[in-house]
Formats: sequence, C-alpha cells, structure tokens
Amino acid sequence: DAGITQSPRHKVTETGTPVTLRCHQTENHRYMYWYRQDPGHGLRLIHYSYGVKDTDKGEVSDGYSVSRSKTEDFLLTLESATSSQTSVYFCAISERTASTDTQYFGPGTRLTVL
Amino acid sequence: AQKVTQAQTEISVVEKEDVTLDCVYETRDTTYYLFWYKQPPSGELVFLIRRNSFDEQNEISGRYSWNFQKSTSSFNFTITASQVVDSAVYFCALSPLGQGAQKLVFGQGTRLTINP
Repeated sequence: DAGITQSPRHKVTETGTPVTLRCHQTENHRYMYWYRQDPGHGLRLIHYSYGVKDTDKGEVSDGYSVSRSKTEDFLLTLESATSSQTSVYFCAISERTASTDTQYFGPGTRLTVL
Repeated sequence: AQKVTQAQTEISVVEKEDVTLDCVYETRDTTYYLFWYKQPPSGELVFLIRRNSFDEQNEISGRYSWNFQKSTSSFNFTITASQVVDSAVYFCALSPLGQGAQKLVFGQGTRLTINP
C-alpha cells in the first residue's frame, strides 16, 4: 500500500465549469503523476511532478494544469471542463529505491462532464 | 517514440485453461523497464511485475509467468490453470530506465474473462 488517496472519487460536472482533483500521498515520494484512462487508449500521462513546485507536461496535457505546493499533494485542474475530458483519472507515485523502481496508483477518480 | 501494443482486446477462456496475453513494444532507448498491471472489476491498478531490459530471464510467480524476448520486442504474460479471480483488464507498460520521472507508456489493455 503506497498510501495514495484521491478526492473526490466520483464527480459529475457541466461543460465550462472548473474542476480540481486532488491526490494525496503519505510517504514523501518525490515523483507524482496524473494519468487518464479511456477505452482503447490504456492510460496516458497528463502531467507529472518531480518536487514541490516542479512540474512538467505529459502526452495529453492540453486543457489541464497542475500544482504541487506541498510534497504530499498534487492537484489536477481542468480550467473549463469539456465532454472530451470525461474519463477516469489516476494519480500515481514512483517508489524509486535501490531495490525497487515501480509506480503505484491511487484508486482513481471517475469524472463525467455533461 | 515509445509504443506498446496489446493486440488482443478481449480474451475469454474457461476456468483451468492456460492463457497468454501478448505485449509488443517499440523504443529507441537501450535500457528500459517493462511492467504488467492488473485492473480487476473494482477498478484499482495492481502492480504485477517489473522487468529491466538487461535481464531476459523468464520469471514465474505461482500461476503467473512472464516471457521477455528482446529479439522480438515482446513481454508476454501467461496465466496457468486460470481462475475466475483472474478476470480483469491487464496492461503492459514501458518506461526508460534511469534517473528522473518514470513516464510510463501503456498498451491499450487486454480484457480477460475467465468463465466457470
């Protein structure tokens, strides 16, 4: 258990409204990630963070922004939600030690944009 | 660019049959990691295995085994004597090996259904 929680777990919103998803970890991992899962695409990287206030874009970053003001929290914001952003969003952390180098995922947030 | 292909979208077998899930990858990196994750109907992603590119030994863990072949860029996953609890979506993924963020590239996933 990598100690990752996501909130909310489910959200329904309307097109054009802002939405913020939160990822919280309890084990001080440096690297955090946001992915989205869509049928036929597997998971795709949206943004990632390599430290407090250090973030970078992934493969599908358009329409999303992120922030990391504390080690434990990584926020994903949809400034103006669109129906194409209906998806399941997963947060992940990298556990990178001498004996392991693996990414673990949170439980996911199902977002529906009407 | 990196790419992972899981050509089998859905597989359905009867319990106790053996089943192999295929994974083919493309990368220009000389060192990399390959992963398998399981997503049961409850939706969470469960880590199964990580293999690095310079270790081509096959791995067995109980009823699960993995066959890594660099010559064919494949990392296939076999479940022996399948059980209903093995029903899930399985994802193969790839990342460069090294320092820095571990940006995973996933395949499309294979939905495995084990029928009693």
